[in-house]
Amino acid sequence: AQSVAQPEDQVNVAEGNPLTVKCTYSVSGNPYLFWYVQYPNRGLQFLLKYITGDNLVKGSYGFEAEFNKSQTSFHLKKPSALVSDSALYFCAVRDIGRLAFGKGNQVVVIP
Amino acid sequence: DTGVSQDPRHKITKRGQNVTFRCDPISEHNRLYWYRQTLGQGPEFLTYFQNEAQLEKSRLLSDRFSAERPKGSFSTLEIQRTEQGDSAMYLCASSLTGDSYEQYFGPGTRLTVT
Repeated sequence: AQSVAQPEDQVNVAEGNPLTVKCTYSVSGNPYLFWYVQYPNRGLQFLLKYITGDNLVKGSYGFEAEFNKSQTSFHLKKPSALVSDSALYFCAVRDIGRLAFGKGNQVVVIP
Repeated sequence: DTGVSQDPRHKITKRGQNVTFRCDPISEHNRLYWYRQTLGQGPEFLTYFQNEAQLEKSRLLSDRFSAERPKGSFSTLEIQRTEQGDSAMYLCASSLTGDSYEQYFGPGTRLTVT
């Protein structure tokens, strides 16, 4: 089965500093990878996806992600974090229809 | 485009009661998914439909759970004889057909079983 892992529970970053949220994947074949964000008591919002093509994928709200096949990683990045980016971030991989999610990373942006 | 909607947003029920949740997908999406999310965890897949056909059910989905999508539009998820372990957020998502398409999620229904 396809799976992803998010090794950190919480990421703390100062406002204005670069933000990175880590994700590694384990798949057979070519991966379809996704990032979602969840605000308190809300559903998940789609940020970006990697299907094929350029390894650097740009998404919503200034986020981007880098697909690295040799390291089996798909890390989410933002050059300059905002306080409003504080939320729960999920990496996911497509597994024959369904999405298989990681456990999530709580991001705290400190003013 | 009004997005994915779910009803109710919150449900409190007593152990042993039956509950039913509704999901209305984005209108042009023919795939509809149900997930369950507990505190501190990522969403876990339950089942999904393509049009009215239920294509896959997770082993998490016990016999007490049933989902329908009778006309390929809205879907219902019923839990019979609820247990305290069923307390969770139930998320619905929809997408176009094809694994490259992203899924769009509704706000969820939070179930509390007392």
